[in-house]
Amino acid sequence: GIQVEQSPPDLILQEGANSTLRCNFSDSVNNLQWFHQNPWGQLINLFYIPSGTKQNGRLSATTVATERYSLLYISSSQTTDSGVYFCAVPTGGADGLTFGKGTHLIIQP
Amino acid sequence: DAGVTQSPTHLIKTRGQQVTLRCSPKSGHDTVSWYQQALGQGPQFIFQYYEEEERQRGNFPDRFSGHQFPNYSSELNVNALLLGDSALYLCASSPIPGWGTDTQYFGPGTRLTVL
Repeated sequence: GIQVEQSPPDLILQEGANSTLRCNFSDSVNNLQWFHQNPWGQLINLFYIPSGTKQNGRLSATTVATERYSLLYISSSQTTDSGVYFCAVPTGGADGLTFGKGTHLIIQP
Repeated sequence: DAGVTQSPTHLIKTRGQQVTLRCSPKSGHDTVSWYQQALGQGPQFIFQYYEEEERQRGNFPDRFSGHQFPNYSSELNVNALLLGDSALYLCASSPIPGWGTDTQYFGPGTRLTVL
C-alpha cells in the first residue's frame, strides 16, 4: 500500500519562530489532508490540498503532486500551535486515509 | 451545526470482553469511517460505511465489525478484546464518497483501555 513519511519526527521551537514540516508519499494521490491533533486527541482539519498552495492565517501548505511531497509552513509560532501534525492521503484510491507518523511540535514560551 | 460526535469518551474493559463504540456524523454527511490510533502512532484505517454497507476495509481482523444505521450513525464493535486493542478510536465523516476526493472530519475519539 501507499507509504507516508513525515519529517522531522520532533521539533522544539521558541515562540515566534517559523517552521516547515514535510510529508512524502510513495504513490500518486488525488487528495492530501493536513491535521493538527491537540493534547486531548482531537484531529483538527488544517488543509485539504491535493495540489498547489493554500494559506490560512499563519499557516500555509504546498503540495507538489508530481514530486510526491507536501509542506506545511507555520509562521510566528504560538504555544497553542503545539501538538502533533499529521498528513494523510487516500488508501488505494478509495476514501480510507493512510496517515504518516506525525511531527510532534513543541513551542516554548 | 454539530460536528462529529462519539460516545463514550472513555471506556475500560478486560481481556476477552466485547465493546461497542458509537458515532454520529456531521450534519449532511452520510459516510462514516473508523480509525484506531495507538499511543505515539498515526491513526490506522479500520473500515468505512456508506448506505449501511461496509465499503472499504483496512488490515484489521474480523473481531472488528461495524454497522451503519438509516440515520447514518454508526457503531464499531470489537470482540474478544486483547491488550493490544487499547487505543484511541476515531470516527470520521464525509459527504457521499468520492473516491478519495472528499475532506474527512473527525470526532473527539473514544479512549479504550483493555486490562
